[in-house]
Amino acid sequence: RKEVEQDPGPFNVPEGATVAFNCTYSNSASQSFFWYRQDCRKEPKLLMSVYSSGNEDGRFTAQLNRASQYISLLIRDSKLSDSATYLCVVNGDSNYQLIWGAGTKLIIKP
Amino acid sequence: GAVVSQHPSWVICKSGTSVKIECRSLDFQATTMFWYRQFPKQSLMLMATSNEGSKATYEQGVEKDKFLINHASLTLSTLTVTSAHPEDSSFYICSARVRTSGLAGEQFFGPGTRLTVL
Repeated sequence: RKEVEQDPGPFNVPEGATVAFNCTYSNSASQSFFWYRQDCRKEPKLLMSVYSSGNEDGRFTAQLNRASQYISLLIRDSKLSDSATYLCVVNGDSNYQLIWGAGTKLIIKP
Repeated sequence: GAVVSQHPSWVICKSGTSVKIECRSLDFQATTMFWYRQFPKQSLMLMATSNEGSKATYEQGVEKDKFLINHASLTLSTLTVTSAHPEDSSFYICSARVRTSGLAGEQFFGPGTRLTVL
């Protein structure tokens, strides 16, 4: 089993729709969780951290479910510019080591 | 925000040559820099963790004699791919951790270097 698993997609979603995807992680001791965004042939950029109580940043909402060991990302009112690959990231054995999912590709269509 | 630069952004070389990639933190000091490799449609794979003034820590399966890492200052780390072969062709990305940050996620990424070995 991979340490961090994501549905690779692609998710084809019409503009304005709401889309959500999950990510599961295997290490129950993980404490830090993040969503990164990566555009084609570009470096990843931090989208948001995921807090235990869940958190929202504009159209983006992140949730953590420790019991089932998954995190989720919800995007409301999707824009064309949201098209990207979304990477789920979890800390490894040490706090600064990051374990990366392979990403979920999202395509927003007009 | 913190800026990390990488140079070169892309390189094409012949098999057997060595390629050096530079990673610089432009407006902050980075005690720790990370080197990742990403093959198409795959996740980022950590190759090594580089601490200023000490030897890099390599991940399992990464040959330290092939991927030489030097972190001579708080703003510069270099990765040298020695005797590169076609299977080394990949997207190499560095990231730098902000010195005072206690959060694992506060890593700032360079724009990446796309290496193609012919």
